[in-house]
Amino acid sequence: NAGVMQNPRHLVRRRGQEARLRCSPMKGHSHVYWYRQLPEEGLKFMVYLQKENIIDESGMPKERFSAEFPKEGPSILRIQQVVRGDSAAYFCASSSRIEHEKLFFGSGTQLSVL
Amino acid sequence: GENVEQHPSTLSVQEGDSAVIKCTYSDSASNYFPWYKQELGKRPQLIIDIRSNVGEKKDQRIAVTLNKTAKHFSLHITETQPEDSAVYFCAARRRLGNNRLAFGKGNQVVVIP
Repeated sequence: NAGVMQNPRHLVRRRGQEARLRCSPMKGHSHVYWYRQLPEEGLKFMVYLQKENIIDESGMPKERFSAEFPKEGPSILRIQQVVRGDSAAYFCASSSRIEHEKLFFGSGTQLSVL
Repeated sequence: GENVEQHPSTLSVQEGDSAVIKCTYSDSASNYFPWYKQELGKRPQLIIDIRSNVGEKKDQRIAVTLNKTAKHFSLHITETQPEDSAVYFCAARRRLGNNRLAFGKGNQVVVIP
């Protein structure tokens, strides 16, 4: 059973470009979460999604950031017009409907904005 | 929202000794408290968790204790080994919430061989 898969592992973008981060949850998991981590910081909640629904996006900036989890395919975190302050590690986690509290994390995407 | 704090930020221990990390939370409605271990450059991994209806839970060399009155819970690692060196994050989740886990900033544990 493959774990949570994120790609790419590293993403380099220039200011003003778009960044797309992908996350495939563990098999059988229907809940996806996105967290952001800065050096020597904890994991900051961004958004919680279930298939085709955004459940809680209170941690995500209102502008430039969006997330989706379509019926088919991975969850996507999209950052438009990236700025240097967006540079961080973005972790996706998934959980099952039954044990929804236990989050399993992917390896993260390290976004670097030049 | 929930505010989770961890102390100390860095902890160095001799191999074989015990390590204790304390975490405090602010929301008395929180009922689920996991600990995650993150090695350098790797994903956070769940190592142990506890629910508010239990005071202590143990899994081999790792244990977690919960004090609901004081709103803190602690991670205990006994007989530490070099591979225990990592950053440890505690988290808390509200009962009847949106399932969001609020994380602390992490504790760097260094086990000195």
